[in-house]
Amino acid sequence: EAGVAQSPRYKIIEKRQSVAFWCNPISGHATLYWYQQILGQGPKLLIQFQNNGVVDDSQLPKDRFSAERLKGVDSTLKIQPAKLEDSAVYLCASTWGPLVRGYTFGSGTRLTVV
Amino acid sequence: QKEVEQDPGPLSVPEGAIVSLNCTYSNSAFQYFMWYRQYSRKGPELLMYTYSSGNKEDGRFTAQVDKSSKYISLFIRDSQPSDSATYLCAMSEGGTASKLTFGTGTRLQVTL
Repeated sequence: EAGVAQSPRYKIIEKRQSVAFWCNPISGHATLYWYQQILGQGPKLLIQFQNNGVVDDSQLPKDRFSAERLKGVDSTLKIQPAKLEDSAVYLCASTWGPLVRGYTFGSGTRLTVV
Repeated sequence: QKEVEQDPGPLSVPEGAIVSLNCTYSNSAFQYFMWYRQYSRKGPELLMYTYSSGNKEDGRFTAQVDKSSKYISLFIRDSQPSDSATYLCAMSEGGTASKLTFGTGTRLQVTL
């Protein structure tokens, strides 16, 4: 079974620039999550999709972050404009249903904002 | 106060030692308890999954949950250098919005 694919692996941008991350979940997984992991901290949920609908985006900074999941498969997470404090690893995860069992993470995109 | 507290370490042990990792939490609604292992520059990998209180064993790993004390533990027996990683505890209330709330992670180093 192929894992959760994310790209790019690394990205360096200047503050106030925009950036986008892409995630391809495991085939058949209806639930997709984006987590932010700041250095030295545990991952924090940004947004959860069930198919192409948003289930939870309560911790997404909506003034600068946006995410979409078209056709209930791939997802993109965008930051515009980026701030220094957005430097983190952005992890995508997927699961076949709303249960927490079988939560598979991708390797993440490491973002550095300078 | 954070919802989930975890000692960040680092924790250094010799090969073959028994390792004990712990987390405390404040949200009594948590029902699902997990331990993830994260190698450097990789995503978290699920190690152990427990529903409600009790013990669960899988090879060299044992997970314990004590909901009355709001305390969970992961024990690693006969630790190996390949166990060197960051260990994250994670919890969820379950249901449709099954977000995970993570601890900060404990960095473990197993030395030869």
